[in-house]
Amino acid sequence: EDKVVQSPLSLVVHEGDTVTLNCSYEVTNFRSLLWYKQEKKAPTFLFMLTSSGIEKKSGRLSSILDKKELFSILNITATQTGDSAVYLCAVEPTPSGGYQKVTFGIGTKLQVIP
Amino acid sequence: NAGVTQTPKFQVLKTGQSMTLQCAQDMNHEYMSWYRQDPGMGLRLIHYSVGAGITDQGEVPNGYNVSRSTTEDFPLRLLSAAPSQTSVYFCASSYSTGLVDNEQFFGPGTRLTVL
Repeated sequence: EDKVVQSPLSLVVHEGDTVTLNCSYEVTNFRSLLWYKQEKKAPTFLFMLTSSGIEKKSGRLSSILDKKELFSILNITATQTGDSAVYLCAVEPTPSGGYQKVTFGIGTKLQVIP
Repeated sequence: NAGVTQTPKFQVLKTGQSMTLQCAQDMNHEYMSWYRQDPGMGLRLIHYSVGAGITDQGEVPNGYNVSRSTTEDFPLRLLSAAPSQTSVYFCASSYSTGLVDNEQFFGPGTRLTVL
């Protein structure tokens, strides 16, 4: 059974701080690892990391994948109050029968205070 | 594009009642899924569909039915609501496997309470 463990479960930082969120996983036939940001409502996509793309960066957010050690980190530099959200990590196996059953972690709740 | 839409946003049911949660997408995505999100449990897959007329069970399918008669719509039916089905339900869609950055697009969610 595929498994995703995120840490810490929650985090409170001050604006301007840098944070690192962790995601470890177990998956049969790894295809990709995904990061989502969830504010009040629906998760929104941040990054997808695969064997051919183990580092991604977008503005103040960046992520790396360590396929050997089976983990990923999401870094947020110069945090802002708008970064307050739950960050979800998910893994996707190589499709079986045409569909990839994504497994999500329970998330890290980040609160950025002014 | 409206993206993925869900109705209703909120619903309160009594134990034993049935209802349908609606989901529609206008991105011509082949894949659609239903998840439930509970505190401390993360998102769990209920049912999914790889195209019109094709559905299958996910991790927690009991008590739910789905159908996919069109590419756009993927309703989730609660047959006889139970308090354990109190949750937030998300519908998601994506293109088929094999595309770069093939992320799922999520609807805004339906918050369901079963009394």
